[in-house]
Amino acid sequence: KQEVTQIPAALSVPEGENLVLNCSFTDSAIYNLQWFRQDPGKGLTSLLLIQSSQREQTSGRLNASLDKSSGRSTLYIAASQPGDSATYLCAAHNQAGTALIFGKGTTLSVSS
Amino acid sequence: EAGVAQSPRYKIIEKRQSVAFWCNPISGHATLYWYQQILGQGPKLLIQFQNNGVVDDSQLPKDRFSAERLKGVDSTLKIQPAKLEDSAVYLCASSSWKGKNGYTFGSGTRLTVV
Repeated sequence: KQEVTQIPAALSVPEGENLVLNCSFTDSAIYNLQWFRQDPGKGLTSLLLIQSSQREQTSGRLNASLDKSSGRSTLYIAASQPGDSATYLCAAHNQAGTALIFGKGTTLSVSS
Repeated sequence: EAGVAQSPRYKIIEKRQSVAFWCNPISGHATLYWYQQILGQGPKLLIQFQNNGVVDDSQLPKDRFSAERLKGVDSTLKIQPAKLEDSAVYLCASSSWKGKNGYTFGSGTRLTVV
């Protein structure tokens, strides 16, 4: 059974810092992995989708990597801004046609 | 393309009452999911539909929760009777066949049971 863990649970950084959010999963036979952002009281916004055949994806200041052999994914945020403050969720998709399995998220606070 | 639509955005009910949530997925998305997100937790799958058939409802508390997806488009999730522990955000998501292009989530419905 797939389990997804995110570390740390919370992170506070000053504006401008580069930071890394970690995600680990127990079953390396994943179909794809998706990172989401969730603002308080809101739904989930997709940030990056990494297919099982890919090693990384980039979008603006965000870069997500995937290492299936070690069961890990990282989300790198460059030059953090107060607007990046939110909860970041990692979700693993085990097999085509099955549902996403989520971690508990990392709550990021960026101070100006 | 239009996103996943959910309503209502908020709902407050007393325990033992019933409540229903509605979801309209992205046009053409065959797969629809309902997730429950309790405060401080990641979303947990309640039920997955493929067109109008159920693929996975193993975590749906069937004694009080029910869901349907008529005609393979819109879906309704119902709770009857509600308990205090049902207070959560209910998220609807949809994906194309097998989720190859990822999932798109709606804004969710925040349910408070008092």
